[in-house]
Amino acid sequence: DAKTTQPPSMDCAEGRAANLPCNHSTISGNEYVYWYRQIHSQGPQYIIHGLKNNETNEMASLIITEDRKSSTLILPHATLRDTAVYYCIVGGAGNNRKLIWGLGTSLAVNP
Amino acid sequence: DAEITQSPRHKITETGRQVTLACHQTWNHNNMFWYRQDLGHGLRLIHYSYGVQDTNKGEVSDGYSVSRSNTEDLPLTLESAASSQTSVYFCASSGGGEQFFGPGTRLTVL
Repeated sequence: DAKTTQPPSMDCAEGRAANLPCNHSTISGNEYVYWYRQIHSQGPQYIIHGLKNNETNEMASLIITEDRKSSTLILPHATLRDTAVYYCIVGGAGNNRKLIWGLGTSLAVNP
Repeated sequence: DAEITQSPRHKITETGRQVTLACHQTWNHNNMFWYRQDLGHGLRLIHYSYGVQDTNKGEVSDGYSVSRSNTEDLPLTLESAASSQTSVYFCASSGGGEQFFGPGTRLTVL
């Protein structure tokens, strides 16, 4: 299973876009990129996932580079409630089954 | 609404005792997972199941067991609790897309 590298912490001003990077240089051709977040001791929450193309939903956008070795999660207008640990994970083809979790990025949204 | 629940939410036990943590989901998902989360380690996979009667070991399975007798439940058993198993335990389920997580069980082994 491919591993990911994320910065341990980031800050963002409320109302601004938060751009969270992730490196996954060993990703396999059939592995998806998943993003989750965990708000203070709650269970992790799914945000978005993608294979090759950029994706957008009501929570965020996911930009995957053409070589698929890195990606960026974008929270377009960060709020204080977006303060959380964000995890970037690569995992099984088309079926989010076994995932290997790293330490994630602790995002602090400041007023 | 479909959901995934864990019980108990908090548990204190003694070294050597057998402990079972419950996980129940009403999503009708085939895939279920148990993780533990400790400071400095993120989430680590303990056991997982891809369907009834199917169980698999994760990266930190020693001292834990699971059984899957129906789609809805995947109980996690600590055969003989050790202080090193003090942790927060999360259960998750997946139907082929994202994983849905329970609220977690905080286990303390004294």
